[in-house]
Amino acid sequence: QQQVKQSPQSLIVQKGGISIINCAYENTAFDYFPWYQQFPGKGPALLIAIRPDVSEKKEGRFTISFNKSAKQFSLHIMDSQPGDSATYFCAASGKGSSNTGKLIFGQGTTLQVKP
Amino acid sequence: KAGVTQTPRYLIKTRGQQVTLSCSPISGHRSVSWYQQTPGQGLQFLFEYFSETQRNKGNFPGRFSGRQFSNSRSEMNVSTLELGDSALYLCASSSAGRRGGKNNEQFFGPGTRLTVL
Repeated sequence: QQQVKQSPQSLIVQKGGISIINCAYENTAFDYFPWYQQFPGKGPALLIAIRPDVSEKKEGRFTISFNKSAKQFSLHIMDSQPGDSATYFCAASGKGSSNTGKLIFGQGTTLQVKP
Repeated sequence: KAGVTQTPRYLIKTRGQQVTLSCSPISGHRSVSWYQQTPGQGLQFLFEYFSETQRNKGNFPGRFSGRQFSNSRSEMNVSTLELGDSALYLCASSSAGRRGGKNNEQFFGPGTRLTVL
C-alpha cells in the first residue's frame, strides 16, 4: 500500500515532442504528489507538485494530470528539449505522524530527448 | 537563499568501518529528511528530524542513525559498514512545522556518494 508504481522505466522522445510519465498509487491517504528531476551527479530537484483537490497543474512546459478515482497521476513535458534529458521521479506523501517528512518514490524514468 | 549542502561529497570506506555524513538545510528550514538512493532499490526514506527530535523512521537497520543540532544541521551515521551500504545518501530540508502532517516541499542536497570496499 505504500508503493508508488512508475512507468515507463525509460523513454526516448524526439525534440519538440511530448514526454509522458505515469504513476499509480494504492494508499488513499496520500495527499501530496511531487515530481523530481535528477541529472547525473546531482540531487533530485523539485519540478512541480499537486494535491488531490485539483485535477491538473501547469508550470511552463510541465503539467501534472491527477485522477483521484483511478489513483493515478502523470507528468507531461511539452515541447521536450535535449536539456530535459534526465531521470524523473514521481513521489507521494500522506498526512499523520507516520508520514511526517517521508516521501515515497517511484522507481524513476530515464528520459532521453533526441535532437 | 543558499541550497541544501552536504559534506563530504564522496567517501570511500571499507567493510566494518563507520561513517558520518553531514547536512546543512536551507536557512529557516527545521525539518531534515535523509534518503538512500541505489540503482536497485531507488530512493528510500531513512528518517526525518525536526527540532533535534527524530519524528519518523524508515525500514533500515539500527546501524543507520542520525541526529540534529539546535541550528537544524543534521548528521547521519552508519556503523559496521557493509558492501550493500554503497549508495548516494541524500538529505532534504523543508519548512514543515512542528505539527508535521501537511507535507511541504522538500529540497534536496547534492548527496554524498559512499563507496564501501
